[in-house]
Amino acid sequence: GENVEQHPSTLSVQEGDSAVIKCTYSDSASNYFPWYKQELGKGPQLIIDIRSNVGEKKDQRIAVTLNKTAKHFSLHITETQPEDSAVYFCAASGGKPGANNLFFGTGTRLTVIP
Amino acid sequence: DADVTQTPRNRITKTGKRIMLECSQTKGHDRMYWYRQDPGLGLRLIYYSFDVKDINKGEISDGYSVSRQAQAKFSLSLESAIPNQTALYFCATSAGTGPYEQYFGPGTRLTVT
Repeated sequence: GENVEQHPSTLSVQEGDSAVIKCTYSDSASNYFPWYKQELGKGPQLIIDIRSNVGEKKDQRIAVTLNKTAKHFSLHITETQPEDSAVYFCAASGGKPGANNLFFGTGTRLTVIP
Repeated sequence: DADVTQTPRNRITKTGKRIMLECSQTKGHDRMYWYRQDPGLGLRLIYYSFDVKDINKGEISDGYSVSRQAQAKFSLSLESAIPNQTALYFCATSAGTGPYEQYFGPGTRLTVT
């Protein structure tokens, strides 16, 4: 099955700086790569996703890049704010036709220091 | 009201007890999932259901069973709870036949003593 690795496990940045979280995956058939944000006491919530026919996607301060050849994808958060502090999970899916099972990374705890 | 609800939100039980976690959704999605979250391990899939008649095992189904009572309801049971099943459990739903966004409930924190 799919194996997703995520780094770093913890990340501290000063408010206003950028944060980058990286993930690799093992199944070359995977074609959907979402990023979830989990705040304390809540379930994960999708913040951005990318499909394999696209190399980069942006949504305001958040961007995701995908390198299918190298089988890695990254989350970039610019101009970080204290409310960005949370645990972020990457995931990969779509190895089987019609499947929607997500394989998650182990998470990155991001702390934005005011 | 929340689209995906889970009950109970917290539960403490003893080794050997049977326990059921319940999930309801108002999103009208056919697909429902149960995940387990442990510190440092991310979320791992326990069971998933594509519709009421289609239930499948995930990565870590041993020791768990599920029931899909209706399109909107998906329950997870621990037949005989053990301490290493102490974890945060999440239910999720999704639409469509391909990979799409999954919507997560607020989670159930289960402690087995």
